[in-house]
Formats: sequence, structure tokens, C-alpha cells
Amino acid sequence: GQNIDQPTEMTATEGAIVQINCTYQTSGFNGLFWYQQHAGEAPTFLSYNVLDGLEEKGRFSSFLSRSKGYSYLLLKELQMKDSASYLCASMDSNYQLIWGAGTKLIIKP
Amino acid sequence: EPEVTQTPSHQVTQMGQEVILRCVPISNHLYFYWYRQILGQKVEFLVSFYNNEISEKSEIFDDQFSVERPDGSNFTLKIRSTKLEDSAMYFCASSEEVREISYEQYFGPGTRLTVT
Repeated sequence: GQNIDQPTEMTATEGAIVQINCTYQTSGFNGLFWYQQHAGEAPTFLSYNVLDGLEEKGRFSSFLSRSKGYSYLLLKELQMKDSASYLCASMDSNYQLIWGAGTKLIIKP
Repeated sequence: EPEVTQTPSHQVTQMGQEVILRCVPISNHLYFYWYRQILGQKVEFLVSFYNNEISEKSEIFDDQFSVERPDGSNFTLKIRSTKLEDSAMYFCASSEEVREISYEQYFGPGTRLTVT
């Protein structure tokens, strides 16, 4: 079956660093996506990895290990506005996005 | 910046009624999608559409659902006879490509469907 696992909720402090992990099992693999979703709003694209390694984009970085079926999203210099759900999604062999349930990130001052 | 738009933002309907959710994808995009998200649950893929036909659909997308691109700009999702369990946020998304580098899917703001 197809499965995406990520923690349900994480808490971090403003200014700190947090790493959100994701493991995936999909039928085929065409890349791993991270999206941010604020409550009641649409998901917005953060990152895409299809090759192993780290992709850095400003305060956000995403890592992929295809052999381990593992990815993480690293958020640095956390700001209060980063409080949101972070959705991990794997694109399968049919180019469909299979979504995790999301990790709710709570930022405390 | 171009964006995906959806109307209405909120639709309330009675069980058994037909609803049409409307989307205007980004104009140069070729791939269109519908997703749904039941409150507090994960995003679920419904259907993808390319070159005026369905390219993929999920198990959720049964005979009660249909999609259409009636003109050059609109992309619609029709639910023929709504059920209580159809209550959810429905997101439309579009992308330039799916197999090439421009894979990013841009999401519309969603339509909240409430079936009573």
C-alpha cells in the first residue's frame, strides 16, 4: 500500500530550528514535496526533492534519502508566522500526489 | 502574480442535490487537479485532467463525480447527488507540467462544501 508518515504535532521556540521528518512508501516515486498549510487555507508549495541530498531555500531546507524512503524539512530562525501544518507528499508512478496527514507546528515565543 | 481562483468560497447544499464547484486555473498551465480535505484530515487526490480528459482518478472519484473544462478558462467539479460525507474543503490546483521540471502545483483558496 501507499503510506506517508509524519509526526502529528511539534512545538518549537521562536528563533530556533526545527526538523520535521517524513517517511514514505508509494508505488513508484517521482519526487517528494513539502507544502505549508495555514488553518483554513490552501496548501502552498515549499520544496521538491527528487534526488538524494539537501535542497536549501532561504530559511527552509529539505532533505531526501530515496534508499531510506525518508525526507525532512528543516526550518531555521523560526518566526511566529511559521505556525502552520506542514504536509509531506510523495508523487507516485502515476504522478499522483500521496499526502501525509500533516505536522502541526506550534511556535512559542 | 497569477493565481488559481475558485468559486464559491462556501457552498451549502442539501443532501441529494447537485453542486458544481468552479475553478479558473493559471492561464498557461496544462494540468488541472481536484483535491478534497475533510476537516482535520489529510488532503486527498480526486482527479487530474490533461488535454481535455481525465488522466488519473482516485477511488473517491466515483460515478457521482465528474469534471469538465467547458471553455478555455474554467475547470469544474460536479457532484451529482451530494451525501453528508461529501462535506469538505475542495481544492483545485494547476501545474505547467507534471513530468518536467515545472511540477509545482498551485492551489486555489478552496471551496468549503457543507452538505446538510
